[in-house]
Amino acid sequence: QQQVKQSPQSLIVQKGGIPIINCAYENTAFDYFPWYQQFPGKGPALLIAIRPDVSEKKEGRFTISFNKSAKQFSLHIMDSQPGDSATYFCAASIQRGNKLVFGAGTILRVKS
Amino acid sequence: DVKVTQSSRYLVKRTGEKVFLECVQDMDHENMFWYRQDPGLGLRLIYFSYDVKMKEKGDIPEGYSVSREKKERFSLILESASTNQTSMYLCASSLIGQKFFGPGTRLTVL
Repeated sequence: QQQVKQSPQSLIVQKGGIPIINCAYENTAFDYFPWYQQFPGKGPALLIAIRPDVSEKKEGRFTISFNKSAKQFSLHIMDSQPGDSATYFCAASIQRGNKLVFGAGTILRVKS
Repeated sequence: DVKVTQSSRYLVKRTGEKVFLECVQDMDHENMFWYRQDPGLGLRLIYFSYDVKMKEKGDIPEGYSVSREKKERFSLILESASTNQTSMYLCASSLIGQKFFGPGTRLTVL
């Protein structure tokens, strides 16, 4: 049983498009929500993270939107580039603790 | 830069063999983790360690054990490998919150 549900499984967008990846969680004790980016042959790397006291966080072209009442959060990539093609994982934990729960992952391909 | 290295990128073993996966980090991090990554299932935590000789089970510890004799090194042991343990294994370390992952070991059990 997946504690963090991620969709879609895969996504193809044209260069310049805005891919959106969605995640939903059940455990209301979760209070730290990071996104990890993984390129082929590499381990995942932290991309951006949010806490539930804010509804949006931007870092460069990457934005997390957070809806506490719906228990959902999403990643938007503005002006997407072919170099953004990777697998993206959402995750959740309690107080940035050791037990980070990951979503199933979304394989993003940005076509040039 | 934090560096997490894993002893092998690819490994092929036979059913019933004892398998050791080694992980080393160079940032003096207290916490180290072993995950397995499978398509459609994301990353699932097998075991983690919060100090030398200290360990705690993750979500899927069955069939695995771990060893942490030194702070920088965390080993994952498959006591008797089975075909359902064919997977990508990722090691990570962290100080507070942010995890730094190694490149992974793709293990195939025949």
